[in-house]
Amino acid sequence: SQTIHQWPATLVQPVGSPLSLECTVEGTSNPNLYWYRQAAGRGLQLLFYSIGIDQISSEVPQNLSASRPQDRQFILSSKKLLLSDSGFYLCAWSIREASPLHFGNGTRLTVT
Amino acid sequence: AQSVTQPDIHITVSEGASLELRCNYSYGATPYLFWYVQSPGQGLQLLLKYFSGDTLVQGIKGFEAEFKRSQSSFNLRKPSVHWSDAAEYFCAVDLKTSYDKVIFGPGTSLSVIP
Repeated sequence: SQTIHQWPATLVQPVGSPLSLECTVEGTSNPNLYWYRQAAGRGLQLLFYSIGIDQISSEVPQNLSASRPQDRQFILSSKKLLLSDSGFYLCAWSIREASPLHFGNGTRLTVT
Repeated sequence: AQSVTQPDIHITVSEGASLELRCNYSYGATPYLFWYVQSPGQGLQLLLKYFSGDTLVQGIKGFEAEFKRSQSSFNLRKPSVHWSDAAEYFCAVDLKTSYDKVIFGPGTSLSVIP
């Protein structure tokens, strides 16, 4: 069966520090991969999606970037964090063609 | 522009009572429709989905939802709520692009009174 791993679960970082969040999927090949951000009391905002290795698309301009160095690995990064980057970050995958999204357990990021 | 609305930000029901969470979408065609549930500090879990066919779909945990094309709605229902159903519920639409572009509603927070 397919599983998704996302880490770390929580992270506290100072303003201006770098960020790296990692997500890996097991049990499937060529998944579509996604990074979402969930601000407190709000819905989910799609940040990045990827349909293949090194194929990344950004939905909104921001201080963050994403990379997909391997088929089932998706990384969210920042060179310098802002206070506004605080939030709950969720990685998700889906198989090609229409299918539900499958989410990781999320990373709670607090920028201080 | 495509959008998903969930008119109720927060709902409180008594355990054993029935539940209906509302969802409306704005899209030129019929999208794929989903309901997800999120427990505090956790990721989202799929409750049910609608792709085509029977407009009443059954999901996990005793939930069901009905797609009404004329109203652009996909309301979630449960006949008898359990305390463990307290969570955040998200309606979502898949716009059928090549990468499953999914738009989420703002969510409805459900509290259950014992």
